[in-house]
Amino acid sequence: IQLTQSPSSLSTSVGDRVTITCRASQGISSYLAWYQQKPGKAPKLLIYAASTLQSGVPSRFSGSGSGTDFTLTISSLQPEDFATYYCQQLSAYPYTFGQGTKLEIK
Amino acid sequence: EVRLLESGGGLVQPGGSLRLSCAASGFTFSSYDMSWVRLAPGKGLEWVSIIGSSGSITYYADSVKGRFTISRDISKNTVFLQMNSLRAEDTAAYYCARGSLSGWYSLDKWGQGTLVTVSS
Repeated sequence: IQLTQSPSSLSTSVGDRVTITCRASQGISSYLAWYQQKPGKAPKLLIYAASTLQSGVPSRFSGSGSGTDFTLTISSLQPEDFATYYCQQLSAYPYTFGQGTKLEIK
Repeated sequence: EVRLLESGGGLVQPGGSLRLSCAASGFTFSSYDMSWVRLAPGKGLEWVSIIGSSGSITYYADSVKGRFTISRDISKNTVFLQMNSLRAEDTAAYYCARGSLSGWYSLDKWGQGTLVTVSS
């Protein structure tokens, strides 16, 4: 199952609303997770089951979608949110990732 | 506190072998699936392999199938990744990750990674 994320990079500002999309090559129900990764750090789980916020993750992060089309939204970007974001499908092996979306400071 | 600590990375020549380890603590290791994920320089995350909680089920990415072997030692709370016939394109930071127990699966805890460099 291929995952296509868009955009691949985004130049944004603190306070902006950001939306990242992830499209699966076939239906995956809600078996989709979103991760955040900062340089030199481990990935961090943000959202699982497409829309369930992982414990401890700020409520400005939200996810939606099912089937083949998914979105990750950050309602008001904070300085600590500049990072790379990945979607991952966990419907079928191999558990593929999207190619990533890098958020950069404008 | 859940902790995953990878080790065993280093510099290896093409065609060589390396064995990565991931020591787990802070949770009931025998109840969880464990995965390896890698991040190559300038690339995105790539899922590599998974082993079931009992060790009887394993799956691999096509890029490593036949060359890498995942295993676990429940008595030592450790998961391993034996990497043979290494190639330059295997150069990456390798992370171990815990699979969630939720019916909606995800990788909910990650180690800090160990760096593998394949070069002559």
